[in-house]
Amino acid sequence: DVKVTQSSRYLVKRTGEKVFLECVQDMDHENMFWYRQDPGLGLRLIYFSYDVKMKEKGDIPEGYSVSREKKERFSLILESASTNQTSMYLCASSSTGTTIFGPGTRLTVT
Amino acid sequence: DAKTTQPTSMDCAEGRAANLPCNHSTISGNEYVYWYRQIHSQGPQYIIHGLKNNETNEMASLIITEDRKSSTLILPHATLRDTAVYYCIVKYYGGSQGNLIFGKGTKLSVKP
Repeated sequence: DVKVTQSSRYLVKRTGEKVFLECVQDMDHENMFWYRQDPGLGLRLIYFSYDVKMKEKGDIPEGYSVSREKKERFSLILESASTNQTSMYLCASSSTGTTIFGPGTRLTVT
Repeated sequence: DAKTTQPTSMDCAEGRAANLPCNHSTISGNEYVYWYRQIHSQGPQYIIHGLKNNETNEMASLIITEDRKSSTLILPHATLRDTAVYYCIVKYYGGSQGNLIFGKGTKLSVKP
């Protein structure tokens, strides 16, 4: 079964901590995405990458950075976590057709 | 902004067909219609997609009108596990990005 995996389902971090969210896909997809999902706001694109070492800002990149050193792995980094980054984070990957999502990481910043 | 319009919520009796409508009146000629669903606290799950012909897979059927301005997702025998938010999305097939723009979707409640 093809799949996108995320390093944690639930994560609790303190304000000011550096946070790494890891995503791995096993489908050899070129494109990878990070979204966040909040009640009433839906899914919003943070960053995406269409190739190794390439990255593009999405709609809400402020406070985040990303890294894609290998094709199968796309990391989201919160340099200094803040309470307004408490959210569900969803990773996804795609090639020429269907986008596949990971299970999500629910991050709480206290 | 999402290019689709869906009802906010729908109910369906268990075992009956669930028909979820979607309007996409500004769809362009080479944009596909995709359907995803999201069960509470999980990542969105791909269901089906189509361009202009009706499509069927093991999960659902997709009926697209001839003018392509609307479509209907059909779950033929809804179960309680089909309770979810269903998203209709239009996007180009392929390309270097593949970003999906989600609207608010339809919350389907399947009742016993």
